[in-house]
Amino acid sequence: QVQLVQSGAEVKNPGSSVKVSCKASGGIFSSYAMGWVRQAPGHGLEWMGGIIPIFSTADYAQKFQGRVTISADESTSTVYMELSSLRSDDTAVYYCARAVLTGDLSNAFDIWGQGTMVTVSA
Amino acid sequence: EIVLTQSPGTLSLSPGERATLSCRASLTLTTDYLAWYQVRPGQAPRLLIYGSSRRANGIPDRFSGSGSGTDFTLTISRLDPEDFAVYYCQQYGRSPSVTFGGGTVVQIK
Repeated sequence: QVQLVQSGAEVKNPGSSVKVSCKASGGIFSSYAMGWVRQAPGHGLEWMGGIIPIFSTADYAQKFQGRVTISADESTSTVYMELSSLRSDDTAVYYCARAVLTGDLSNAFDIWGQGTMVTVSA
Repeated sequence: EIVLTQSPGTLSLSPGERATLSCRASLTLTTDYLAWYQVRPGQAPRLLIYGSSRRANGIPDRFSGSGSGTDFTLTISRLDPEDFAVYYCQQYGRSPSVTFGGGTVVQIK
């Protein structure tokens, strides 16, 4: 069974960038889409984008276009999400998640990382 | 972008009762790519249903999904104490098109 382990909590200044990692172990990695979803305190779930590692193709939600970069390193079964120009409303828990079906970037997600808290504060 | 509207916002029920949650899409989902998640405080989301009605691995059969087009329903046949949580629907059409609904809180009455 695939497990996803994310990097630890981050505290960032406004205007800076954050890069969160998500390492997969125990199963197939490259052919499944990996998505990033965030949840701000008191708010709902928000999809940011995703990548299919074997193709290195990424797509992003319109809201985050130009500010987010999702990448993958097949050799270490790790995906990354980098968010730039951070604002206070980017404070949230960021999750990586693996698609339930192969092939599509747009997908439901059945395996989730433990979440990474990113706090943006001066 | 497809907007998902969930109702009710909050559902107050007792253990053993039936819960019916609704998710309405602003445009027809031609491929029924609609999923449901359960989120408990401090935990990652848990996939319950995908493809409108397919139960994810390990999900009890008291959870069922139905619907097509613009109207979808998650039914919990008999609420277990562990089922009191927030539930989100999600549509996953053509990339980059993944959106979540605003959530329904299922709380103990």
